[in-house]
Amino acid sequence: GAVVSQHPSWVICKSGTSVKIECRSLDFQATTMFWYRQFPKQSLMLMATSNEGSKATYEQGVEKDKFLINHASLTLSTLTVTSAHPEDSSFYICSAEDRVSSYEQYFGPGTRLTVT
Amino acid sequence: QQPVQSPQAVILREGEDAVINCSSSKALYSVHWYRQKHGEAPVFLMILLKGGEQKGHEKISASFNEKKQQSSLYLTASQLSYSGTYFCGTDLREMTDKLIFGTGTRLQVFP
Repeated sequence: GAVVSQHPSWVICKSGTSVKIECRSLDFQATTMFWYRQFPKQSLMLMATSNEGSKATYEQGVEKDKFLINHASLTLSTLTVTSAHPEDSSFYICSAEDRVSSYEQYFGPGTRLTVT
Repeated sequence: QQPVQSPQAVILREGEDAVINCSSSKALYSVHWYRQKHGEAPVFLMILLKGGEQKGHEKISASFNEKKQQSSLYLTASQLSYSGTYFCGTDLREMTDKLIFGTGTRLQVFP
């Protein structure tokens, strides 16, 4: 199957700083990528849909000025958590859809963010 | 609205069977099933498309009842490796192919 990578896999930052997380589709082009957040023992919550070459579509309740998404190419989407606070600590997972071969969404390995 | 899964958790002995249900309040275009191990990303199991189909994958199969807006995942002769949290992802196909994940079912298989 297709491979999606995320970088970094684990990051600790101080409160008030910004953190950038990268999501790459390694062997296919993804016009659409999705960003999820998962708190311990909870389900994946969709944060936003990232569209190549256009603005991201955010889910209700997600602050677009705090979670900046950029989908600059068909293989890369980035999520920047601006002015991070301890309550932003979570597991962030991206997925990408390969519309050429199937409807399957391929998930990255996730990024664990801890804000101190 | 988030799909509701039942049961919330289940404990099995190796070789036993289990059924996990996913129920949506909205009409579904497709249902995706995933298994997630602790600290890892979800792993894709299968997709069921609109049309009320059934699918099988080794000892794991699933059904999709479009009218009832429900899907069920069947695990037969469970193995230790089946342990994890199972999520259904529902595609409403409103504007995009985004998935809304269910509440999750934690499965633990013991020897």
